[in-house]
Amino acid sequence: DQQVKQNSPSLSVQEGRISILNCDYTNSMFDYFLWYKKYPAEGPTFLISISSIKDKNEDGRFTVFLNKSAKHLSLHIVPSQPGDSAVYFCAASFNTDKLIFGTGTRLQVFP
Amino acid sequence: DAGITQSPRHKVTETGTPVTLRCHQTENHRYMYWYRQDPGHGLRLIHYSYGVKDTDKGEVSDGYSVSRSKTEDFLLTLESATSSQTSVYFCAISGQSTYEQYFGPGTRLTVT
Repeated sequence: DQQVKQNSPSLSVQEGRISILNCDYTNSMFDYFLWYKKYPAEGPTFLISISSIKDKNEDGRFTVFLNKSAKHLSLHIVPSQPGDSAVYFCAASFNTDKLIFGTGTRLQVFP
Repeated sequence: DAGITQSPRHKVTETGTPVTLRCHQTENHRYMYWYRQDPGHGLRLIHYSYGVKDTDKGEVSDGYSVSRSKTEDFLLTLESATSSQTSVYFCAISGQSTYEQYFGPGTRLTVT
């Protein structure tokens, strides 16, 4: 049973436009959510996170939104840049020692 | 960047042979993790450690064992490699009372 789901395996966006990556979860006990970015042949890198007590967290071009009633979070990238082309994983946790990852969404930003 | 290295970075081995992957950190973090990444499955936790000699199983632990005799090293062993263990393996670390994990560069393992 997949507790964290990324239903879109890929997304293609034009440079300068907004990229919206989505993630759904099933476990209401999750209290912290994270987004990671992964380039080919590299390890995932931490991007941005949000606690369940908040509904929005912003860091530069990246904003994460959390809708607890819908068990849904999204990552907005504005404006999108070619260097943002990567695989994005969402992850969730209900304590500090384990993360549950989604299957990833491949974002391609084209000129 | 967090000081995490993995060795080897690439390995090809035959079915039935034992394989050990090494993760080394210079951050003195308490928690260490081993994941595998496969298409369509994302990152799945194999084993993790919350201190020296303290380890626990993750989601996909069958066929794998781990050891942690020093804070800085976390070893993943495939006792008898199978083709289903062909994957990219990532090590990660995190500090106590923090959610964020930081990943190593990965080891690509091919079992023929």
